[in-house]
Amino acid sequence: AQRVTQPEKLLSVFKGAPVELKCNYSYSGSPELFWYVQYSRQRLQLLLRHISRESIKGFTADLNKGETSFHLKKPFAQEEDSAMYYCALIGGSNYKLTFGKGTLLTVNP
Amino acid sequence: NAGVTQTPKFQVLKTGQSMTLQCAQDMNHEYMSWYRQDPGMGLRLIHYSVGAGITDQGEVPNGYNVSRSTTEDFPLRLLSAAPSQTSVYFCASSSDRAEAFFGQGTRLTVV
Repeated sequence: AQRVTQPEKLLSVFKGAPVELKCNYSYSGSPELFWYVQYSRQRLQLLLRHISRESIKGFTADLNKGETSFHLKKPFAQEEDSAMYYCALIGGSNYKLTFGKGTLLTVNP
Repeated sequence: NAGVTQTPKFQVLKTGQSMTLQCAQDMNHEYMSWYRQDPGMGLRLIHYSVGAGITDQGEVPNGYNVSRSTTEDFPLRLLSAAPSQTSVYFCASSSDRAEAFFGQGTRLTVV
């Protein structure tokens, strides 16, 4: 079975502060990990996937297989980063995307 | 490119009524899926399809039916709506374990 855990339902930081959204996964093989973001009143959209190893909007995420984690980080949060963030996983040979419960990030001015 | 289109955006149903949520994609993706989004629960997979004529159950399939007669369309049917089905529903499509594209969502209220 595949499972994604996001331990923080809510995360509040001030503008300019570093932010880290935690994600841990459970899967016996080699998964593909994603971060999706949902801005207010918008559809979900892909933010990052681990195989790309790129930085999007200043966010990065590193897959740590030893700790089975895929935490999302940004050194200096901006107000426009306020959104719901979902960590997601695809395991095995199927296409099923399993989501965590999400973390609502609020960046205060 | 329209991407993934869901209709309707909003719907209010009475308990026991039936309805179909429509989902269409124009990207020729083989994989399509339906999720429901509830506060504190994240997105939970209802049903999915890996191609025309092939569907399977996800995590929370009870009370919902799907069919996939074409690559483009993947409707979700509620046969007898219940208040527990009040939720926001998202359709998504993807190809080959790549990025999933989502519709704008359908906010359903069952009274």
